Amino acid sequence: DAGVTQSPTHLIKTRGQHVTLRCSPISGHKSVSWYQQVLGQGPQFIFQYYEKEERGRGNFPDRFSARQFPNYSSELNVNALLLGDSALYLCASSAKSPSYNEQFFGPGTRLTVL
Amino acid sequence: GDSVTQMEGPVTLSEEAFLTINCTYTATGYPSLFWYVQYPGEGLQLLLKATKADDKGSNKGFEATYRKETTSFHLEKGSVQVSDSAVYFCALENRDDKIIFGKGTRLHILP
Repeated sequence: DAGVTQSPTHLIKTRGQHVTLRCSPISGHKSVSWYQQVLGQGPQFIFQYYEKEERGRGNFPDRFSARQFPNYSSELNVNALLLGDSALYLCASSAKSPSYNEQFFGPGTRLTVL
Repeated sequence: GDSVTQMEGPVTLSEEAFLTINCTYTATGYPSLFWYVQYPGEGLQLLLKATKADDKGSNKGFEATYRKETTSFHLEKGSVQVSDSAVYFCALENRDDKIIFGKGTRLHILP
């Protein structure tokens, strides 16, 4: 079985632009979470979705939004990009929510904002 | 708020040395505790976990024991290998089902 996949692998944007990152969970997993990992730091929780509904939101501005589709894939959108948004964005899927069930991480999308 | 503190790296050891990476946490209630590993160019992988006090998680020769009295979850391995070179993250799942990570410890193993 394929693991969690994310696209694109790398992305370069300029300040003020918007970006859409995509995530496909492991087959059968209905929960998707997004994390931001700034260089040299641990991942920071952004969103969790389960069955297409938002189940949790981290301490990120409203420029960050996400959604989950009927096939359980997910998109993370970031508007009005800032230099500080440069990071590795990780997606993780798990079989169920809200209780913890092991989260499987994708390889991430590295976003560079110039 | 809930937080995880782990020893700063990089940690450099010779092959077959004993490894300890310290991790302490602050959280209300009884969080589940984890160690994740990130190999170069790869995503995060769950290394081991413990869900209640005095539980010992183990995998690939690594161990960590959930110590409620000291709020710690130190990672240990008796004999490290070059292939263990990676970044290790201590993490907890809090009562809101959010996973909170430490800053990570980079481990270099010299042959």
